Formats: sequence, structure tokens, C-alpha cells
Amino acid sequence: ETVMTQSPATLSVSPGERVTLSCRASQSVSTDLAWYQQKPGQTPRLLIYGASTRASGIPARFSGSGSGTEFTLTISSLQSEDFAVYYCQQYNNWPHFGGGTKVEIK
Amino acid sequence: QVQLVESGGGVVQPGGSLTLSCAASGFAFSDYGVHWVRQAPGKGLEWEAYIRSDGSKKVYADSAKGRFTISRDNSKNTLYLEMNSLRVEDTAVYHCVKGASGSNLLFDHWGQGALVIVSS
Repeated sequence: ETVMTQSPATLSVSPGERVTLSCRASQSVSTDLAWYQQKPGQTPRLLIYGASTRASGIPARFSGSGSGTEFTLTISSLQSEDFAVYYCQQYNNWPHFGGGTKVEIK
Repeated sequence: QVQLVESGGGVVQPGGSLTLSCAASGFAFSDYGVHWVRQAPGKGLEWEAYIRSDGSKKVYADSAKGRFTISRDNSKNTLYLEMNSLRVEDTAVYHCVKGASGSNLLFDHWGQGALVIVSS
């Protein structure tokens, strides 16, 4: 079982700021890593897959990087609609999600 | 467009059983693997089970093994989750999720979910 750990649990940010979220895997998952955004009352939305490929319709301010066990999701300039919980998920073997990072307004 | 609509949620006592259904539309259901993913109130996402497009392979998370059964009826474009020996900690919203084209283990469309409450 591959355990996914996200940090920090909560991030307080002002609109316009650059945001970096981290995700660590307990063993290598190559680049089989996805990021999802979940807003209150909504289902998760796929943002990034293959560690760095944006899903269809995802703005360019979202970018992903990393391979192996260390991954990062960066939002270059946080917009009001980006306040949400972000989850990473490995799909190198049977899926596991990280615990999530809540991005809240500072 | 892709639609996944769950039904069958409700309140059940510990030790009881419940079966969830998920009606799929807007895509070739029989061509895709599908999953159940749950989310306890205020908590994170937890993958529970997967079934291959033709139903020939089923995989469960440890939390579901021996208690939950995933199945599908491609003639009805419907996914099921039979849940037995339910525990208080199974209380969650259960989402039906479609696997992506490139990888069945990547989730590209989610249903709104069915709420299951296990309580005495």
C-alpha cells in the first residue's frame, strides 16, 4: 500500500499570491500522480494528471511537478475561485489519496 | 455529457445491509472501469472498490474486503455496491466514479454521491 501525505493541512493565502502544495508518496509512484480540487458541496475536479499535465479546461495558473515520491502543485496567482481543498492521488497501483490541503482566505 | 447518478443511500443500523446503485449515461459505460469512492462527513476521499469494464476483475480496499461487493450490469448502464455488516465508520457519501480513458485508476467524472448513515 502506498501512503500519500500532503502538507500543509491548511494554507492561509491572500488572493494574487503564489501557492505551493506538497504531496509525498511512501514509495515511488513514478509520475502516476493526480491532483483534484474540491469546493464545498461539490465533487472533486481533476486538475492535473501524469504529475504535470493539466486536465481539459484547467487554467494555466495551475501547474504540477515532481516524480518518484515528491510532488508539488503550484497555483501561480491565487484567484477567489481557487479557495478549496486539494487532494493528491497516486494511480501507480490501487488508488490512494492524500489527506488534503485546505487553501483558505488569509 | 457524462452523468453518474447514485441512489439507494439511507440510514441503517450497525450490522445492517444496503445496496447502492449508480445510473450512468453520456458515455459508453461498457468500455470503462468504474469505482466507488467514499467521503466521510468533513473528511477526505477514500477509494473503496473497482470493477473492470466487462466485470471480469474486481478489487477492494482493505476497508471493503469481505463486506462490500461491487458489480455492474452493462445492459442497464448501472453500477452497484452491495454493503453488508455495516459499521458506524462506514458513514459517508459514496460516489460512483468513472475511470479515465488513459488509465482506469484515474478519476475523470464523479457522481454527486449517495449518503449512507450507519447509526443505532
